[in-house]
Amino acid sequence: NAGVMQNPRHLVRRRGQEARLRCSPVKGHSHVYWYRQLPEEGLKFMVYLQKENIIDESGMPKERFSAEFPKEGPSILRIQQVVRGDSAAYFCASSPPPGNTGELFFGEGSRLTVL
Amino acid sequence: SQQGEEDPQALSIQEGENATMNCSYKTSINNLQWYRQNSGRGLVHLILIRSNEREKHSGRLRVTLDTSKKSSSLLITASRAADTASYFCATERTGANSKLTFGKGITLSVRP
Repeated sequence: NAGVMQNPRHLVRRRGQEARLRCSPVKGHSHVYWYRQLPEEGLKFMVYLQKENIIDESGMPKERFSAEFPKEGPSILRIQQVVRGDSAAYFCASSPPPGNTGELFFGEGSRLTVL
Repeated sequence: SQQGEEDPQALSIQEGENATMNCSYKTSINNLQWYRQNSGRGLVHLILIRSNEREKHSGRLRVTLDTSKKSSSLLITASRAADTASYFCATERTGANSKLTFGKGITLSVRP
């Protein structure tokens, strides 16, 4: 059974470029979460999605960041016009519908470096 | 503000010793979970304890939960060098629909 797959694992962008991070959840999981981790910090919640629906985006910056989880294909976290402060590790996690075990299954992360 | 606050921030012990890590939180919760993260890797779920449970075991792990004090502890017995990692507590707040709030983590070093 494949776990959560994230790609790319490492991404380098120059200021002003766009970054697209992809996440394929565990097969059968319908819920996806994106978290950001700065060095020596814990994970900060960004957004929670179900297929074709954003459930909670309270952790998303108001500008330049967007996320989607289409009916077909992976979830995408998109960062437009990146700045140095966007450099971080971005983790995706998936879960079965709420009411199951409650645990999240994490990918290995995508590490974004903005030059 | 941070929901989960772990302490200590860093812990260094000798192989074979027990490691105790603590977590405090602020709001009512559905459950509290502990995760492990090796350097440069993703998080791995270790154990979940529900708000109506007081203690849970899994292998060399023992977790306790005191909802009156809003605190939890994770005990790793007979530690091994391979236990060296960062450990995070995460809480699912009441009504949060599986969304987890993480602490800053504890760095555990186990010396061979």
